[in-house]
Amino acid sequence: NAGVTQTPKFRVLKTGQSMTLLCAQDMNHEYMYWYRQDPGMGLRLIHYSVGEGTTAKGEVPDGYNVSRLKKQNFLLGLESAAPSQTSVYFCASRATSGGLADTQYFGPGTRLTVL
Amino acid sequence: AQRVTQPEKLLSVFKGAPVELKCNYSYSGSPELFWYVQYSRQRLQLLLRHISRESIKGFTADLNKGETSFHLKKPFAQEEDSAMYYCALKKYGGSQGNLIFGKGTKLSVKP
Repeated sequence: NAGVTQTPKFRVLKTGQSMTLLCAQDMNHEYMYWYRQDPGMGLRLIHYSVGEGTTAKGEVPDGYNVSRLKKQNFLLGLESAAPSQTSVYFCASRATSGGLADTQYFGPGTRLTVL
Repeated sequence: AQRVTQPEKLLSVFKGAPVELKCNYSYSGSPELFWYVQYSRQRLQLLLRHISRESIKGFTADLNKGETSFHLKKPFAQEEDSAMYYCALKKYGGSQGNLIFGKGTKLSVKP
């Protein structure tokens, strides 16, 4: 199993450009999450999904949109990138039952720079 | 409001010395707490969870409800322990069990 994968690994955008980050998991997990990681700020939740077709806002959702059309995929979109969105983005997933249901499994991250 | 505080941004110790990474939380109920670790150029991964009462890679963490703390400890630090450590609290109240992360502590173990 590949676990949680993220595409792309790196990206540089100009202010105002748009892009989509893809997260895929092959563990049949119901829950998926998007975080951003900034120095001195730790991990902050952007959006999350509790199942196919459902999404919800996290702590810092402004400027981002998400979609969960397929259970295994969770997309994070930036419609008009801003320098404040320069960050490392992590996707995570977790199961809803079983002994490790509370464990979140993380992807390798996407480093995004907005100029 | 639920909150996780890691007071130290950076902790530097010598190899073989004891290490304690501090974590304090605010929550009036029974908390579920975790430690996640991120080694250089690797993804975050679960280190341990308090309900398991386990020791992973020599690390232990005890929940102290009186002091609302969940400090991570290891008696003899190794160079390979150098990493970023995040304490996390499971969020309650209709949020689907999301985690609230602290800001992290970078542990540096010197030879």
